[in-house]
Amino acid sequence: QSALTQPASVSGSPGQSITISCTGTSSDVGGYNYVSWYQQHPGKAPKLMIFDVSNRPSGVSNRFSGSKSGNTASLTISGLQAEDEADYFCSSYTSTITVVFGGGTKLTVL
Amino acid sequence: EVQLLESGGGLVQPGGSLRLSCAASGFSFSSYAMSWVRQAPGKGLEWVSVITGNGGTTYYADSVKGRFTISRDDSKNTLYLQMNSLRAEDTAVYYCAKDRAQQLVGIGYWGQGTLVTVSS
Repeated sequence: QSALTQPASVSGSPGQSITISCTGTSSDVGGYNYVSWYQQHPGKAPKLMIFDVSNRPSGVSNRFSGSKSGNTASLTISGLQAEDEADYFCSSYTSTITVVFGGGTKLTVL
Repeated sequence: EVQLLESGGGLVQPGGSLRLSCAASGFSFSSYAMSWVRQAPGKGLEWVSVITGNGGTTYYADSVKGRFTISRDDSKNTLYLQMNSLRAEDTAVYYCAKDRAQQLVGIGYWGQGTLVTVSS
């Protein structure tokens, strides 16, 4: 199972919005609505930010939103804050009853 | 509050074995699928294995199939990963993770991880 494709890095200034893409295939992202997004700060465990494409767990800021079109899912962060600087990973359920992750995107807040 | 505490990591020689444990609390352990996910130093996340809740069906990534075995003891609220025939490329932080459902739909909570280093 090949990893989902994410940009290696994105950046934005405080207050701006950024979008991170996550491209898979019809056997994973395109075939199921089990796409999740995780935030990981250096040396820390990942934290769930979005589940089932567009749902936010309780406690996650509404500045984080998710969507999907075809084989590509997207995470949008609006009103960028310094604390948003982290690595972001997408994941998807697959047709072989496994999970595949994206390679990760490093977000830099300028 | 969900808590997942991994243990058992360490230094092991190539070809050796190691058993990881994950003590869970704060939720009905037997009702949820549980996974192991690893992260090599400076790299991304790699899903390793899952065991479903209320039945314990197991699935594995191709990279570990035949070498790793996931299991659970619902009476002890503990998840295990038996790792045999270890290779240098298995070196990583191993995270215990709780799914959001009985089946594999997506990880909701992560432990803090335990480091496994395979080296001579």
